[in-house]
Amino acid sequence: NAGVTQTPKFQVLKTGQSMTLQCAQDMNHNSMYWYRQDPGMGLRLIYYSASEGTTDKGEVPNGYNVSRLNKREFSLRLESAAPSQTSVYFCASSPYFGTGDSNQPQHFGDGTRLSIL
Amino acid sequence: AQTVTQSQPEMSVQEAETVTLSCTYDTSENNYYLFWYKQPPSRQMILVIRQEAYKQQNATENRFSVNFQKAAKSFSLKISDSQLGDTAMYFCAFIHSSGSARQLTFGSGTQLTVLP
Repeated sequence: NAGVTQTPKFQVLKTGQSMTLQCAQDMNHNSMYWYRQDPGMGLRLIYYSASEGTTDKGEVPNGYNVSRLNKREFSLRLESAAPSQTSVYFCASSPYFGTGDSNQPQHFGDGTRLSIL
Repeated sequence: AQTVTQSQPEMSVQEAETVTLSCTYDTSENNYYLFWYKQPPSRQMILVIRQEAYKQQNATENRFSVNFQKAAKSFSLKISDSQLGDTAMYFCAFIHSSGSARQLTFGSGTQLTVLP
C-alpha cells in the first residue's frame, strides 16, 4: 500500500550510541517531516524538508541531524543518544510544505519507539 | 507562535452515546486550517476531519462533526453514536495556510474511551 514507511519500529540504545531512523514515502510528495511524541504531549516537529535538497529546524531540533537523501527518503540521526530522547518518532510527508489544503493533509508513518537507557 | 490547547486529558462515553472533545487555539492569522487526528493503540495517526478557517459551514464526516467558532478560536469535535473502535487518543492540530510558519502544531491530546 502507498504511504510512509519507517524503520525500525522499535529500538533500544545505550546512552552515547548513535542511530539513524529511516523514512521513505512513495506518494511523490515534495515535503517530509520528523516529529517526536512524548507522554502527555502532542507531536512536536524536530526537522522538516520543504523540498528535495532543503532541510530546516522545527520546534525541538537539538541533538538531531537529518538528511534528505532524495525525494523519497528522509532520515533522522541521533549522534550521541541521551535518555531525554526516549520517545516515539513519527515521519510524515505532504505534497507541498505545510499544506493545510483540504485535499492535501500530512500523511504519517506508523512510528518508531526508541528507548535510550 | 500559534498554540493549541486541549483541556480534557481523558474522557469516556458509553457506546452509542454522543461525546464532544474540546480544542482552543491561538493565532493572529486569518487564514488557516484545523484538523482532528485519531491515534488508536496501534499508534497510527489517522486524519478524522478538517476545517478551513475561511469556511463558515462546519465540517462533517459521517459520525464526526465539528463546531468551529472562529471568533472564539474554538474547534470542538462531536462523535455521534460512539463505537468501541472510536477508543483512541484524539489530537487537535492547526496549520497556517501561508508564510514561514506553516508548521502543523498539535494539542496535547484527549484520551477517549468508549465503554460497552
